[in-house]
Amino acid sequence: GAVVSQHPSRVICKSGTSVKIECRSLDFQATTMFWYRQFPKKSLMLMATSNEGSKATYEQGVEKDKFLINHASLTLSTLTVTSAHPEDSSFYICSARDGGESQHFGDGTRLSIL
Amino acid sequence: GNSVTQMEGPVTLSEEAFLTINCTYTATGYPSLFWYVQYPGEGLQLLLKATKADDKGSNKGFEATYRKETTSFHLEKGSVQVSDSAVYFCALRQPNSGYALNFGKGTSLLVTP
Repeated sequence: GAVVSQHPSRVICKSGTSVKIECRSLDFQATTMFWYRQFPKKSLMLMATSNEGSKATYEQGVEKDKFLINHASLTLSTLTVTSAHPEDSSFYICSARDGGESQHFGDGTRLSIL
Repeated sequence: GNSVTQMEGPVTLSEEAFLTINCTYTATGYPSLFWYVQYPGEGLQLLLKATKADDKGSNKGFEATYRKETTSFHLEKGSVQVSDSAVYFCALRQPNSGYALNFGKGTSLLVTP
């Protein structure tokens, strides 16, 4: 089946640093990838839609300069949290669309900012 | 706008009990409906889906029927197992929305031996 690899699974870093999260589709090409943020005991909130070779489309309220998204190839999208602060601590999940309707999710990245 | 409302958890059941997790939605037109499951420390996995009214999605003993008249997509399982303990998310996808999903808040299920 379709596999999406998300890396790293967990990261702890100091306030002010930038953190890059990778999302790879391992056995299919993903023209569209999605980035979600999950707060404790809350739903997944769509942050942005990433299309290969074009700029990401951000949801209302998501800072483009804070959460940089790059979708450089059909199998890789990256989310960089710039100058991270404790309020950015969260669980970030990516998903990739396989050309049909199905989305395949990565295992998520637990980001903790000290 | 589109929204999904799920029953609040946590839901605690004994093994072999019957499970129902309610899900209702608000959307225009005819969205596709999904149930995803998230096991501890993992990402989401598609459990089942239905794309039109009266469709029944089923997988691993779980079922959900797309009820347009009640705008519902309740998840059911006749006999739960300890391994079913997880968080369950109801979601919808609006046609022509770019394939993004609107999720409910999730319902945590704990099955005890």
